[in-house]
Amino acid sequence: GESVGLHLPTLSVQEGDNSIINCAYSNSASDYFIWYKQESGKGPQFIIDIRSNMDKRQGQRVTVLLNKTVKHLSLQIAATQPGDSAVYFCAENINTDKLIFGTGTRLQVFP
Amino acid sequence: NAGVTQTPKFRILKIGQSMTLQCAQDMNHNYMYWYRQDPGMGLKLIYYSVGAGITDKGEVPNGYNVSRSTTEDFPLRLELAAPSQTSVYFCASSKTGFTGELFFGEGSRLTVL
Repeated sequence: GESVGLHLPTLSVQEGDNSIINCAYSNSASDYFIWYKQESGKGPQFIIDIRSNMDKRQGQRVTVLLNKTVKHLSLQIAATQPGDSAVYFCAENINTDKLIFGTGTRLQVFP
Repeated sequence: NAGVTQTPKFRILKIGQSMTLQCAQDMNHNYMYWYRQDPGMGLKLIYYSVGAGITDKGEVPNGYNVSRSTTEDFPLRLELAAPSQTSVYFCASSKTGFTGELFFGEGSRLTVL
């Protein structure tokens, strides 16, 4: 498969630890945010989303936190597993007609 | 379910050649999108469609064309390939537009030499 994001920021964690991936967004008018996971050679897969009227949302082993004051979004993965190794993208929606993707963070999980 | 299917997976073009990237979805989604992804970059929207017969430009439409004659299919056409169009192309579809889950295909890697 292809390798995308050859020079991405990388987060290395040990299996079983918690991971925190951060994202700074650009537009204070953004009202919807979404995290995608992209494994090597595959298309992005939806993880979790959050609207601007919330500051926290939980899924299965994942939590997204939104801090509108500093325009910061984070994805927390509990008990990180080798299958979590991938590139993670945040995206922001502006006025429902545009979805702007960040450049991504590579997560590497070591045994 | 097949989801979103893209063909071809890989293609090498010479400068000035034309080609069409095919995209089909079987989820009856109204919304379909074409993105390109360059190394170290996020996805950039090329074109999108909110339903059959309707298409609109995204962030980087120059050099591309699309059509949407059916709900299922959303082909992307490159008329005069240029090296700057070397990229990985992703087609996606969704039920509810940009504020909802997008379902992506596996990608088509295009190299223009």
